[in-house]
Amino acid sequence: EIVLTQSPGTLSLSPGERATLSCRASPSVSSSYLGWYQQKPGQAPRLLIYGASSRATGIPDRFSGSGSGTDFTLTISRLEPEDFAVYYCQQYGTSYTFGQGTKLEIK
Amino acid sequence: QVQLVQSGAEVKKPGASMKVSCKASGYTFTSYYIHWVRQAPGQGLEWMGIINPSGGSTSYAQKFQGRVTMTRDTSTSSVYMDLSSLRSEDTAVYYCARGHYYDSSVYSPPDAFDIWGQGTMVTVSS
Repeated sequence: EIVLTQSPGTLSLSPGERATLSCRASPSVSSSYLGWYQQKPGQAPRLLIYGASSRATGIPDRFSGSGSGTDFTLTISRLEPEDFAVYYCQQYGTSYTFGQGTKLEIK
Repeated sequence: QVQLVQSGAEVKKPGASMKVSCKASGYTFTSYYIHWVRQAPGQGLEWMGIINPSGGSTSYAQKFQGRVTMTRDTSTSSVYMDLSSLRSEDTAVYYCARGHYYDSSVYSPPDAFDIWGQGTMVTVSS
């Protein structure tokens, strides 16, 4: 099983700042089959990024993904108030697993 | 629009079974795999399994093997997830989600989950 470890567990930032979220895989993720999701309280997850770096339909360009193999990053260039939520990475190259999540909270 | 609509909340006794439905609309039902994912209160996301609505083939996470059954009804564009021998640890929100494209004549690579149902809260309590 591929284990995904997200860091930090909680990230405290202010609107307008840049957010960098990490997802480390062990062992590596095949063919960059890595996605990122956003989840707000009481809502279903929403797909942000697939294929490690492709934005899903309707996702603003302040969201970007990068990385390959074992290290992946989700970057939010300038935080908007609606971006404060929990973020999950997921690999879908070898079965399916999710990271434990990073909570992005307002500082 | 493309959507997945799930059945309503349930309360079950330990040892009982649950069945959650997920109705697809806005796209060709048999052309996309459907996954089931659950989330215990305050916890992360856990993948349970996948069903191919075209032929009905399934694959389950090892943790749920023997307790979970996923089926589909093409006449109503619905998939179902049965979980038996419920215990308190099964208390969670259960989601269905659309996965990758299926075409019997070509290989389709795996994909992220682009459409999610609204979730179904299942509480297991005596």
